[in-house]
This record gives sequence, structure tokens and C-alpha cells, in this order.
Amino acid sequence: NAGVTQTPKFRVLKTGQSMTLLCAQDMNHEYMYWYRQDPGMGLRLIHYSVGEGTTAKGEVPDGYNVSRLKKQNFLLGLESAAPSQTSVYFCASSSPGDRRSYEQYFGPGTRLTVT
Amino acid sequence: SQKIEQNSEALNIQEGKTATLTCNYTNYSPAYLQWYRQDPGRGPVFLLLIRENEKEKRKERLKVTFDTTLKQSLFHITASQPADSATYLCALDPNDYKLSFGAGTTVTVRA
Repeated sequence: NAGVTQTPKFRVLKTGQSMTLLCAQDMNHEYMYWYRQDPGMGLRLIHYSVGEGTTAKGEVPDGYNVSRLKKQNFLLGLESAAPSQTSVYFCASSSPGDRRSYEQYFGPGTRLTVT
Repeated sequence: SQKIEQNSEALNIQEGKTATLTCNYTNYSPAYLQWYRQDPGRGPVFLLLIRENEKEKRKERLKVTFDTTLKQSLFHITASQPADSATYLCALDPNDYKLSFGAGTTVTVRA
């Protein structure tokens, strides 16, 4: 049971390049989330999904797109990377329908640098 | 505007003492408040959840209080150990399963 996994772990991009971050969970959770974490700031929600085929905007969605084609996977895309997107990205999942699982389970993070 | 504030400074305490962390919020009406632990280079790990109608919750050496009148939660680590050194995050859930996080408080426990 791997929990939540993220690939890649590290990435350096040049301004204007594109990339996709992959998140996978093996807990059969309905909800999945993408956050970014910057120094001195709390985790900020980028996009989230309440089920396969659904996505919604969070607090800071601009410059990012997401897709949830399969229940276990949640992809985060940067179409044209900017230095302001340098950050650590975390994926998380939860299963609010299960009263024992209001908490979110986080992946190990992806450290992205845009030069 | 909505704001979540945790201890602005890092906490350095002696092993065996109690660490007390604060989480204050404005312009939120959380149904749940959660606390997470984050170690350097890792993702946050869930510790405790407390509901708006609960005053206190305990788990082993951890205790959380929740005062919706003061708009504050306190997080206590009793009999602290060096292994408790980490950053602790509070998170508010207004009952839509989307969490809003504070910036965290870094705790260092000296042996």
C-alpha cells in the first residue's frame, strides 16, 4: 500500500516550458487535491477533484490545469511555466464519505524550479 | 479577508517540557479544525481533528482545544521529545472538505 505517490520528485524548467506532474493514490479515495507550498506561507489549494471526471478551481488556479481521467490519478499541468511557479507541489487525497477519513493524505512533494 | 495565524516565531523547548502552539483565525466558520505534522522535505501527516462542537481532543501525548468564541485552537505536546521536532500546521475545514492551512510553527526540542 504505497498511499499517495508523486512523480517527478524534482524538476527544473525554463520559462515558457510545459510539464505535467502526476499524482497516484491506491486508497480508493474520492477526493484529490493539488497544493503549492512557498516559504513562510501555508499550503495553498490550486485545484481539486471530488471524483473521477470532475475538477474544480481552488484558491490559486491561474497558470495551472488539471485532469482526473481515472479515480486513482490526478494530473497537474503547467502550460507555460513562469518563475512565480517555482514552489513545492503536494498532492493529497481524502475520502470524506467515510467518516473515519476526514483527514487528507499527502504525497512526498515535487520540488519545481523555473528559471 | 480570511486569515489563519500560527505562532509567528519558532518554538525551542527543553525535552520533557510541554510545547503549546496557537492557531488563530478570522473570517472563518470552520466545522472542523485539523493539525498536521510536517518534517523537512516531506508531505504533511495528519495528527488530530476536532469538531466545532468539541472543546478538547487527546491522542497520546497530544492535546488540542478549540474555542469558536475566541476563534482559536491550542495544540499541546506534553513530555516533549527530540523526535517531536517538526513543523506543525493547523488547517480549517468549513465543511466543504477543502482545507485552508496556516503557515506552520517550527518546534525544536532540545535533549
